[in-house]
Order: sequence, then C-alpha cells, then structure tokens
Amino acid sequence: SAVISQKPSRDICQRGTSLTIQCQVDSQVTMMFWYRQQPGQSLTLIATANQGSEATYESGFVIDKFPISRPNLTFSTLTVSNMSPEDSSIYLCSVEDGGDTQYFGPGTRLTVL
Amino acid sequence: GENVEQHPSTLSVQEGDSAVIKCTYSDSASNYFPWYKQELGKRPQLIIDIRSNVGEKKDQRIAVTLNKTAKHFSLHITETQPEDSAVYFCAASRANTGNQFYFGTGTSLTVIP
Repeated sequence: SAVISQKPSRDICQRGTSLTIQCQVDSQVTMMFWYRQQPGQSLTLIATANQGSEATYESGFVIDKFPISRPNLTFSTLTVSNMSPEDSSIYLCSVEDGGDTQYFGPGTRLTVL
Repeated sequence: GENVEQHPSTLSVQEGDSAVIKCTYSDSASNYFPWYKQELGKRPQLIIDIRSNVGEKKDQRIAVTLNKTAKHFSLHITETQPEDSAVYFCAASRANTGNQFYFGTGTSLTVIP
C-alpha cells in the first residue's frame, strides 16, 4: 500500500488563527480524503480532495472553514481557518490507491486554546 | 445517505476467548465493508474487508461475515490476545462510486490477560 505522511504531526494553536495540514503520498493515487476524528469518536469525512478541481464537501463542512487544495496526484492540504476550541481534533488524510480500500495517514493532532 | 450502527461500544474478553462485533447498514447499494483497527494514538489500519458477493472471509484469527438480506456484517476474532486490544471500526461504502466510507461508532475491545 501507499506510504502516507502528514505534517505537522501535532500543533497547539491560538483561537482565531489558521493551520494548514499537508498530506504527502509516495505514489500517485486517484482519490484523497480528509477526515476529522474528535476525541473518543469515530471518523467523519470532511471532504474529498479532487485533483484539478474544487473539493467536494460533506454536509456540515464548508470551504471557507476548511479550504482544501490538491495540486497533483500525490499531495493535498487542508486548512482549518479561524480556529476555535471546538476544532480541537485529529485530522487524517486517506487515499484510495486504485482499489476500494482507503489507507490512512498518521494524523495531525490539533489543540486550539 | 448511509447509516452504519455498531455494537457493542465496549467489549472486554479474557485472553483466548472470542470477540464478536456487529454492524448494520441502511443502504442496500453498499457493497464494500472494511474493518479497521485503531490502537491508541495510531492511525486506523485495515485488518479485513468483504465485498457483497461474498458471505464470509477469514484471515488467520480474524473473520468477517456478511448478511446482505439483513444488512448486517460482523467481525469475529478468535483466540484473542492482549495485542488485539484496540478500537475497531466498521465501514460501508459503494465501491467504484467515489468510495465514500460511512464509519460505525467504534468498539473498544479490551483483552484481559
């Protein structure tokens, strides 16, 4: 399976600021996704990162709050904008490498003070 | 949209006993059902999956069964070991259609030595 890395692995941020999370894959993949996992909770899909076009957001998530870029088939970024303590969570990217299965990155643990 | 329910939320078993986790789904068009294991502080890792044209799949101590008519699928772990302790998530998706995963709420499994 593809090797997936995320940066940063963790961060502590102040309310009102923004953080951009990077997801890098060691091979070209068709689909990339961004999830949020709040403490002790399941995984919630934020959006599908589409290469060359705007991301597709799930209900409850908007582009102004979570802008996403996907400039090529190996890289994507998720920005958490104008953060509040409620945004404290683990953010994970995942990739589908041509089959049906998704593989997850190591996650970014975000704490907003 | 799809709704995946997972039970139980917590499960404790003695080492060597079997553990069973059950999930139900609502969308009859779902045809791909992966199971992920997430250890504390780690990323979710795929442990087994099943497609709708198969009723059962086994991989060493782990097996998954699927009942399409009843729309439920189950994870079976035999001869449990302490290293099986983790949170397990089921998911359902329509393969080959953007492959959005709908996750269950998770089961925290503790294997008591």
